[in-house]
Amino acid sequence: NAGVMQNPRHLVRRRGQEARLRCSPMKGHSHVYWYRQLPEEGLKFMVYLQKENIIDESGMPKERFSAEFPKEGPSILRIQQVVRGDSAAYFCASSASGTEIYGYTFGSGTRLTVV
Amino acid sequence: AQSVTQPDIHITVSEGASLELRCNYSYGATPYLFWYVQSPGQGLQLLLKYFSGDTLVQGIKGFEAEFKRSQSSFNLRKPSVHWSDAAEYFCAVGSFGNEKLTFGTGTRLTIIP
Repeated sequence: NAGVMQNPRHLVRRRGQEARLRCSPMKGHSHVYWYRQLPEEGLKFMVYLQKENIIDESGMPKERFSAEFPKEGPSILRIQQVVRGDSAAYFCASSASGTEIYGYTFGSGTRLTVV
Repeated sequence: AQSVTQPDIHITVSEGASLELRCNYSYGATPYLFWYVQSPGQGLQLLLKYFSGDTLVQGIKGFEAEFKRSQSSFNLRKPSVHWSDAAEYFCAVGSFGNEKLTFGTGTRLTIIP
């Protein structure tokens, strides 16, 4: 098991384009979390998903951002009509139980650059 | 609302010297506390975590942290740093039943020969 896999590692988009970030959790993990790291800042929670359900999206911007975790396939974080301020590192984490008792396992992130 | 403060943005330490990275938290419930390390261009790796019990927690790579409830602190320590410890270190807080972790802004550690 290679751990939490995120792709692409780097993504460049022009303003107004769509960005799709993918996250495959560790084998046996059914809980996925997305965090965003802006330059010189810590990670900020965006959304928590289980298979086919959004559990907590309190950290998601109200517009242009959406996330899904289908029954089959990876979790997708979608950013529509990207703007320069969306440039950041986006990290996905997964867990088996849905509590921090076991701790998250983070992926290596997707670094989005909007030009 | 929960919050985490890492007062030191950047710390420089000589190789072989001891290290202490500070972390203060604000949280109404019993906190779960974590330290993560991030190497350049990489994801976050869990160093150690505290849930309950012994307030001195041992982690990987020779790190330890001590939970002090009276000071709302969870400082990270290492008796002798190695050049490979150069990285960004993040303290985080959560609690049982709350799926969100709140992270501090990080401390960048530089090691000099």
